[in-house]
Amino acid sequence: QKEVEQNSGPLSVPEGAIASLNCTYSDRVSQSFFWYRQYSGKSPELIMSIYSNGDKEDGRFTAQLNKASQYVSLLIRDSQPSDSATYLCAVNRAGKSTFGDGTTLTVKP
Amino acid sequence: SAVISQKPSRDICQRGTSLTIQCQVDSQVTMMFWYRQQPGQSLTLIATANQGSEATYESGFVIDKFPISRPNLTFSTLTVSNMSPEDSSIYLCSVRGGREAMNTEAFFGQGTRLTVV
Repeated sequence: QKEVEQNSGPLSVPEGAIASLNCTYSDRVSQSFFWYRQYSGKSPELIMSIYSNGDKEDGRFTAQLNKASQYVSLLIRDSQPSDSATYLCAVNRAGKSTFGDGTTLTVKP
Repeated sequence: SAVISQKPSRDICQRGTSLTIQCQVDSQVTMMFWYRQQPGQSLTLIATANQGSEATYESGFVIDKFPISRPNLTFSTLTVSNMSPEDSSIYLCSVRGGREAMNTEAFFGQGTRLTVV
């Protein structure tokens, strides 16, 4: 079992729709959780961080964390073609992050 | 957020040679990391660069192959030694900002795209 698993892609949604990205992790003592966006040929950039159970909203992005279920998700509302990228879930413990394999999202105009 | 300068941005190297990648941060950071991202795959942690002491390597990575230096709180180097085509990858420097930042977000350099021929 991988330490961090993301829903297999690729994921394709029409422009304006909601994109839902999911991630589960195996280390129960993980302390912080991050979503990164990576465009092809570029380095990852932080989209959202979440540290406690519940929802965290930032613009069109909402991160959800459920530590009991070891589950973290990212919702992208009103998806835009510019959101097309690979989204990486990262789970952090003692400063070290473990990354999932990523989910590639395509938003079609 | 920290500004990270990583160089070279890309290189093509002959097998059997070594390449040293530099990572410079615009502020002092406690934690610096080196990752590898092979084509079409996610990030794999190579090691944590510790200031003033040896790096801490992850399973599957050894100091002889990937020696790391970290002489101060703003600079680190990763050397890929005795390269083979299997070392062709993107190498990324990552930092966690600030002295009390173990659980905060990490930032990445632009990456070094290495091709070994």
